[in-house]
Amino acid sequence: QSVLTQPPSVSAAPGQKVTISCSGSSSNIGINYVSWYQQLPGAAPKVLIYDNDKRPSGIPDRFSGSKSGTSGTLGITGLQTGDEAVYYCATLDSSLTVALFGGGTKLTVL
Amino acid sequence: QVVLQESGPGLVKPSETLSLTCTVSGAPVSSYYWSWIRQPAGKGPEWIGRMYTSGKTTYNPSLKSRVTLSTDTSKNQFSLKLSSVTAADTAVYYCAREWTSIFGVAPRTDWFDPWGQGILVTVSS
Repeated sequence: QSVLTQPPSVSAAPGQKVTISCSGSSSNIGINYVSWYQQLPGAAPKVLIYDNDKRPSGIPDRFSGSKSGTSGTLGITGLQTGDEAVYYCATLDSSLTVALFGGGTKLTVL
Repeated sequence: QVVLQESGPGLVKPSETLSLTCTVSGAPVSSYYWSWIRQPAGKGPEWIGRMYTSGKTTYNPSLKSRVTLSTDTSKNQFSLKLSSVTAADTAVYYCAREWTSIFGVAPRTDWFDPWGQGILVTVSS
């Protein structure tokens, strides 16, 4: 069981918006930045968001991130069928310098 | 462009040692932070450990007693050894460059980019 809690699945229609939550604690998300990854079937995870709300070069602005207290949120607008993937949040556990990942949320674009 | 490629046996017997190598192109392994991450089928990734500053390491406490990371700067590679493996160690193993400020003040950053393509390692007799 992951220290970071994500909903197992979310779904929405093409063109719509979806949000994915990631719940942690005061010793991880509460005091460190959150990153988000997209994992397409059969592929390695790819970073979408780092430092809560920053996008690496090449990531479209349809993807956004935010953090409030001990939770992070990934937002995706203008959903496309190609966005169907599993999304993971991640952060650092400061007490152990351990990198933590969430259990993942499967996005279905209906 | 930085590219990482994992290599090693895809099948390891129980109680033996899993050995994988990550070959890096486009950046020196003597610089930056480099991590190993694994992912059992259908589960989230699990961070194994990191290398930095020419040989220093940090390990996940859950695996620390069985893990050894090392680097070969002449080949621009870093390696993972996991001893006494069981079926629970069956997973896809990834290497990745880690962007982190673990020794700085909070809030600390920590993210992974790029990742290797991954290698499936099965533990079975």
